[in-house]
Amino acid sequence: ETGVTQTPRHLVMGMTNKKSLKCEQHLGHNAMYWYKQSAKKPLELMFVYNFKEQTENNSVPSRFSPECPNSSHLFLHLHTLQPEDSALYLCASSQESAIRGAGELFFGEGSRLTVL
Amino acid sequence: GQSLEQPSEVTAVEGAIVQINCTYQTSGFYGLSWYQQHDGGAPTFLSYNALDGLEETGRFSSFLSRSDSYGYLLLQELQMKDSASYFCAALNQAGTALIFGKGTTLSVSS
Repeated sequence: ETGVTQTPRHLVMGMTNKKSLKCEQHLGHNAMYWYKQSAKKPLELMFVYNFKEQTENNSVPSRFSPECPNSSHLFLHLHTLQPEDSALYLCASSQESAIRGAGELFFGEGSRLTVL
Repeated sequence: GQSLEQPSEVTAVEGAIVQINCTYQTSGFYGLSWYQQHDGGAPTFLSYNALDGLEETGRFSSFLSRSDSYGYLLLQELQMKDSASYFCAALNQAGTALIFGKGTTLSVSS
């Protein structure tokens, strides 16, 4: 099993659809993150979970809804998205919240989302 | 606000040395990290500097000057496989996650 696995790798959805992105980490980490990567922009932090509790919501619109049922799984539920939400959504994990470690995040390969 | 600035593109030839600079403006600075991302792949951790000075890991080295709010990634003996995007990163103000620069695209030609 690879360290951080994201599914689906590619997703095309209409603005009225509801879909979910899934992330699973096999590293025994306690912190998980969602980042958005758009062309020509920095990786944008969206949500942080530490020991299943959300510790950061970086002013993300409510059409993105995260869920962390346990330390190994993280979901991003999507509904009524806009075309500008098309991007690569990256999941990452770390041993604990970043402040305690050397800043090392382990990323999945991302879910490429296209909103029509 | 918090920001990390780095050049958008760098080009070099095989065997050369290239330096990618990063200047940062953050609160509660803990250290500077560097990540590599190949096209279509996941960002992967390269190095971390908590203290001033040079950290060397094989062909890659990273430098930090806290007084200048500046760091760089040095890549030596460049190979074609080093063609990728390189991101500097630092902890956000809350200390809960990393924030990233826009990335530098390195193109290595033969």
